[in-house]
Amino acid sequence: DSGVTQTPKHLITATGQRVTLRCSPRSGDLSVYWYQQSLDQGLQFLIQYYNGEERAKGNILERFSAQQFPDLHSELNLSSLELGDSALYFCASSVSADPSNQPQHFGDGTRLSIL
Amino acid sequence: QKEVEQDPGPLSVPEGAIVSLNCTYSNSAFQYFMWYRQYSRKGPELLMYTYSSGNKEDGRFTAQVDKSSKYISLFIRDSQPSDSATYLCLNAGGTSYGKLTFGQGTILTVHP
Repeated sequence: DSGVTQTPKHLITATGQRVTLRCSPRSGDLSVYWYQQSLDQGLQFLIQYYNGEERAKGNILERFSAQQFPDLHSELNLSSLELGDSALYFCASSVSADPSNQPQHFGDGTRLSIL
Repeated sequence: QKEVEQDPGPLSVPEGAIVSLNCTYSNSAFQYFMWYRQYSRKGPELLMYTYSSGNKEDGRFTAQVDKSSKYISLFIRDSQPSDSATYLCLNAGGTSYGKLTFGQGTILTVHP
């Protein structure tokens, strides 16, 4: 058990809809990262928050947004959903802002299916 | 050129075999190298972490970095069916901050 909790585990919705994915980081971790994993693209970094502030941005679409709350949990909002957004979405956390010299702890992901 | 390139496999070996998983990277300024293991329907977990070049050994696992050829390797000795997973490499450091770039991942199956 990594200590990172993601909800829901599965989400099925239709094109054009909006969904919110939730992540609770490991106790003591201040950074939260969001990733998208699909079969053809692999694990793609979306965005990082550190102690409530956006820290780094990857290939996140404008239709997607995230935030980290004072209790350090984070939410990823996906809107105007398209079929291509179907993927596994992972949240990870780490102690500090720089993940290059420390492990990230991953949750078990939210599987999003767009019909 | 992708920052980290990895052969997706799949790779299938018999139990007890020595497994070699490889990646190439492009940014020589990044000094940290990691291997993550991902079981089916689970998130990745850190397996090995090395800084700069050289070898690092942990039980049956050895991580090797060759900076001259920009090559990262993970060796698994006496492979077990429980090693069946996807292995992801990554190279990070400097000002990359959260922008970690993972390799595509190699799917490994160890059959009894």
